[in-house]
Amino acid sequence: EVQLVESGGGLVQPGRSLKLSCAASGFTFSNYYMAWVRQAPKKGLEWVATISTSGSRTYYPDSVKGRFTISRDNAKSSLYLQMNSLKSEDTATYYCARGNWMDAWGQGASVTVSS
Amino acid sequence: DIQMTQSPASLSASLGETVTIECLASEDIYSNLAWYQQKSGKSPQLLIYDASSLQDGVPSRFSGSESGTQYSLEINSLQSEDAATYFCQQHHDYPWTFGGGTKLELK
Repeated sequence: EVQLVESGGGLVQPGRSLKLSCAASGFTFSNYYMAWVRQAPKKGLEWVATISTSGSRTYYPDSVKGRFTISRDNAKSSLYLQMNSLKSEDTATYYCARGNWMDAWGQGASVTVSS
Repeated sequence: DIQMTQSPASLSASLGETVTIECLASEDIYSNLAWYQQKSGKSPQLLIYDASSLQDGVPSRFSGSESGTQYSLEINSLQSEDAATYFCQQHHDYPWTFGGGTKLELK
């Protein structure tokens, strides 16, 4: 069974950093592009980052470019999202998802940016 | 950036009815479109990929189609468990973009 389990969410002050992790199981992690998608409270979905199978290529929207870094450890079947210079508008549930058309999603990790 | 304009924002339908949700892409996305269902308090789930391919395990009452840059999700014979919010997403070009969502309520 394919499983994605996020961790690392929490309450953080504006300007601070937080790192999310996503543990994958039930499939060959290194064969898939992986992504992070977020959803602000009562809002729609927003794509945050994508990483290639080897990790050599990464992609971001302008809203997080330069502040967020996606990475992966294929040996550990793990995906990460380093979030720096956090803003209140980054408050959301963050999901990790598999592939280009995201056919598996984690349960989400809640991130609240507030003083 | 490619804009995905999804309509309607909400709709109400009865059990057994057929509903259609649409997404208009601001440019050609060459069928690189997915549809997701998100039930309240849950993670999104993939329904359709490549505009019209049904994801494994998804009931056949869900179907996707396209006409130019207009993409549609049709749900036949509505069931109570279909009450959810539906999103389209293009993965033709970065940044990937989602439609604003359609909240489907069952009468």
